[in-house]
Amino acid sequence: QVQLQESGPGLVKPSQTLSLTCTVSGGSISSGDHYWNWIRQSPGKGLEWIGHIYYDGTTWYNPSLKSRVTISLDTSKNQFSLRLTSVTAADTAVYFCVREGWNGDYYLFDYWGQGSLVTVSS
Amino acid sequence: DIQLTQSPSFLSASVGDRVTVTCRAGQVISNYLAWFQQKPGKAPKLLIYAASTLQSGVPSRFSGSGSGTEFTLTISSLQPEDFATYYCQQVNDYPRTFGQGTKLEIK
Repeated sequence: QVQLQESGPGLVKPSQTLSLTCTVSGGSISSGDHYWNWIRQSPGKGLEWIGHIYYDGTTWYNPSLKSRVTISLDTSKNQFSLRLTSVTAADTAVYFCVREGWNGDYYLFDYWGQGSLVTVSS
Repeated sequence: DIQLTQSPSFLSASVGDRVTVTCRAGQVISNYLAWFQQKPGKAPKLLIYAASTLQSGVPSRFSGSGSGTEFTLTISSLQPEDFATYYCQQVNDYPRTFGQGTKLEIK
């Protein structure tokens, strides 16, 4: 059973960098055929896709955040990470790490972390 | 970006009711649509993918249909555990986008 767990600071100051790590267990992030995503949800709001990374390091980012986002892999630790620079209060959200798995026919957002609340405040 | 518009945004229903939620895409997305259920304080849970395929372990009272730009999620007989917020999501193009959500409440 694949499990994902987010970790990182719960409080970040404005203009600083938000950094989160997702630890994957029950499967290897370098085994291929899966994308590893970050999705966020602002308090009381809907879901926003931030971006994802393929096992070979190829990334896709939401254009609305692209200039501030980096997603990377650490295959030795079976982790992937999110960096979001120059944060403002608008970046306050619950951040989810999510596997987009290939079932042979289709990509599915099938495994989600529990979410990590990050508040941007001085 | 492909905009997804869900209707209604709020739905009040009773246990045993049949309910339908609609998701309309701003452009054709074939069948590249998924539905998620989210309960307060929890991560979304995948219910349906490819517009109509039930994810493993999801009760058969959930069903999805549609193709192109119009899609529906139907719950045939509401159970107490079904009261939650439902989101559609498209995976036809980048960036991946979600509908604004439909909150299903107990009448």
